[in-house]
Amino acid sequence: QKEVEQNSGPLSVPEGAIASLNCTYSDRGSQSFFWYRQYSGKSPELIMFIYSNGDKEDGRFTAQLNKASQYVSLLIRDSQPSDSATYLCAVNMIGNSGYALNFGKGTSLLVTP
Amino acid sequence: DGGITQSPKYLFRKEGQNVTLSCEQNLNHDAMYWYRQDPGQGLRLIYYSQIVNDFQKGDIAEGYSVSREKKESFPLTVTSAQKNPTAFYLCASSKGATIQETQYFGPGTRLLVL
Repeated sequence: QKEVEQNSGPLSVPEGAIASLNCTYSDRGSQSFFWYRQYSGKSPELIMFIYSNGDKEDGRFTAQLNKASQYVSLLIRDSQPSDSATYLCAVNMIGNSGYALNFGKGTSLLVTP
Repeated sequence: DGGITQSPKYLFRKEGQNVTLSCEQNLNHDAMYWYRQDPGQGLRLIYYSQIVNDFQKGDIAEGYSVSREKKESFPLTVTSAQKNPTAFYLCASSKGATIQETQYFGPGTRLLVL
C-alpha cells in the first residue's frame, strides 16, 4: 500500500512565527512532491512543488526534500492569520494504471494573532 | 479567464438516482482527473483520463462512470450503485500525465443524498 502520512494537527503557531509542516511517504521511487493549501469548504490550491533533494524557496514558503529519509516538509515564515488552512502533501507515485498523485490527509494549521 | 469550472456547486441525489457532475477546462490540458474528498480525509482518485476517448480507473471507481469525448470536458456520473455518495468531488487537470506534472483543481461540487 502506497501511503502519504501527515500529522492531522491542529498545529497552532503565533502570528509572525515559523510554521513547520511534515510529510512522510512510503514509495522510495517517488520523484515529485507537491504542497497544496485548502481553505475550509474550498478546493486545494498549489503552493509549490519540489523534485530534487534539498530546499526550494518561494517567497515565505520553503519546501524541503530528503529522499533518503522519505521525508518532505513545508516551512512558512512570518506566518499570518490568512495562512490558517489545511495543508495537503501529495506525492506522485507509480500505481497500477501509471502515475497518480497520492494525497495525505492534511495538516490543519491555525495562526493566532 | 483560463481555468477549470465545475457545476453545480451543490447537488442533491435521491435514492436510486444517477447524477452527473460537470467539469470543463480551457487550459488546453491533456489530462483530467476526478477525486473524492470525505471530511477529514485526503483526496482519493476515482478516474483519470490522459487523452480524449481514453480513461482509467483510480482507487475507488466502483459506482462511478466517466466519459471523455472532448478535450475540454470530463463529466462524472455517480450511479445508484454508489451506496455512499455524500462527499466533496474535485476535478483536476494537468498539461500532461508525466510524473512531474502539476495538477490544478476546480472549485468542487458537494454532493448530498436526500
